[in-house]
Amino acid sequence: GQNIDQPTEMTATEGAIVQINCTYQTSGFNGLFWYQQHAGEAPTFLSYNVLDGLEEKGRFSSFLSRSKGYSYLLLKELQMKDSASYLCAVLTTSGTYKYIFGTGTRLKVLA
Amino acid sequence: DGGITQSPKYLFRKEGQNVTLSCEQNLNHDAMYWYRQDPGQGLRLIYYSQIVNDFQKGDIAEGYSVSREKKESFPLTVTSAQKNPTAFYLCASSIQGSSTDTQYFGPGTRLTVL
Repeated sequence: GQNIDQPTEMTATEGAIVQINCTYQTSGFNGLFWYQQHAGEAPTFLSYNVLDGLEEKGRFSSFLSRSKGYSYLLLKELQMKDSASYLCAVLTTSGTYKYIFGTGTRLKVLA
Repeated sequence: DGGITQSPKYLFRKEGQNVTLSCEQNLNHDAMYWYRQDPGQGLRLIYYSQIVNDFQKGDIAEGYSVSREKKESFPLTVTSAQKNPTAFYLCASSIQGSSTDTQYFGPGTRLTVL
């Protein structure tokens, strides 16, 4: 089957660093995406990894290990506005291109 | 401005009525998708379309129908056969066939069935 696992909820303090993990088991792999979603709004694209390693984009970084079926999103210098859900999604290629989403990790940033 | 629009943002319907949710994009994307999101859950794929006049069922297609007569438009009809239609519905689009295929989402429609 196809499965993506993320922690349900995390809490961190403003200014700190937080790492959100994602593990996946999918048939076919064509990239892993991280999206940010504020309550009641649409997801917005944060990062994309298709090769192993770290991709850095300002305060956000994303890591991928294809052999382990594992990714993480690293958020540095946390701000209150980073309080949101973070969705991990895998683009699979079993016949057609299709996205499989995790349930999301709800991050609360405390002052 | 390029983007994806969904209308309306909030929709109320009586039980037993069919309702159609609109999704339009001017990004010239080939592929379009409909997802449903319930509280505390991830996005679940309802239907997707990779090209005009063609679409495939996703994981939870029962009780829903779609059409793709134009590249820009992918309306979703929630029929009376859908047992639990109250949810947040998201439409997305992407350039088809690219390995760096990023989905762009519309603002969503929150459907409440009374």
